[in-house]
Amino acid sequence: SQQGEEDPQALSIQEGENATMNCSYKTSINNLQWYRQNSGRGLVHLILIRSNEREKHSGRLRVTLDTSKKSSSLLITASRAADTASYFCAPFTGGGNKLTFGTGTQLKVEL
Amino acid sequence: GAVVSQHPSWVICKSGTSVKIECRSLDFQATTMFWYRQFPKQSLMLMATSNEGSKATYEQGVEKDKFLINHASLTLSTLTVTSAHPEDSSFYICSAGVGSNEQFFGPGTRLTVL
Repeated sequence: SQQGEEDPQALSIQEGENATMNCSYKTSINNLQWYRQNSGRGLVHLILIRSNEREKHSGRLRVTLDTSKKSSSLLITASRAADTASYFCAPFTGGGNKLTFGTGTQLKVEL
Repeated sequence: GAVVSQHPSWVICKSGTSVKIECRSLDFQATTMFWYRQFPKQSLMLMATSNEGSKATYEQGVEKDKFLINHASLTLSTLTVTSAHPEDSSFYICSAGVGSNEQFFGPGTRLTVL
């Protein structure tokens, strides 16, 4: 397993704006997953993008993957106050199902 | 979607006592369950990987005699913090693996050791 590094560490935006978070990793992956964690809660799986995919959408979420740069981005469009949470990426290298998390991006969406 | 529960949600105990945390997959069978620990404002740190019917695999630096893991069935794994001390106070989260990709996370258990 390997750890993804999220960037920025923290982000504060106004409701209605878009939020972009980035993730970098070091070695080849099978897929990359994004999770959300509300304060004091467990993780919620948001989206999984496979290594042969370049872009994926789910509702207001858009994820891109650039395997040549070993990076991914998560875009939340038309953000809402309820989107306030920490967001983690988890590169998955296959075998053993182990996921390793970085420190995440703390997103705050203000009214 | 797949649901994972944890019990209890929070627990406060005295130093030196043992605490058991349960992790259940409610509507699916999980061959693998994972236990994580998260300190305030920090990331989740994988403690151990638990496979049904076999011994858990612990990550480097995690004491297996202190954090006892039992995975007796495909829907239940337990983590017992033995002789807990204040430094063990943390947020413990389990997840259940389905297939080779996705994991479903429980809501977490907040442990406070006085």
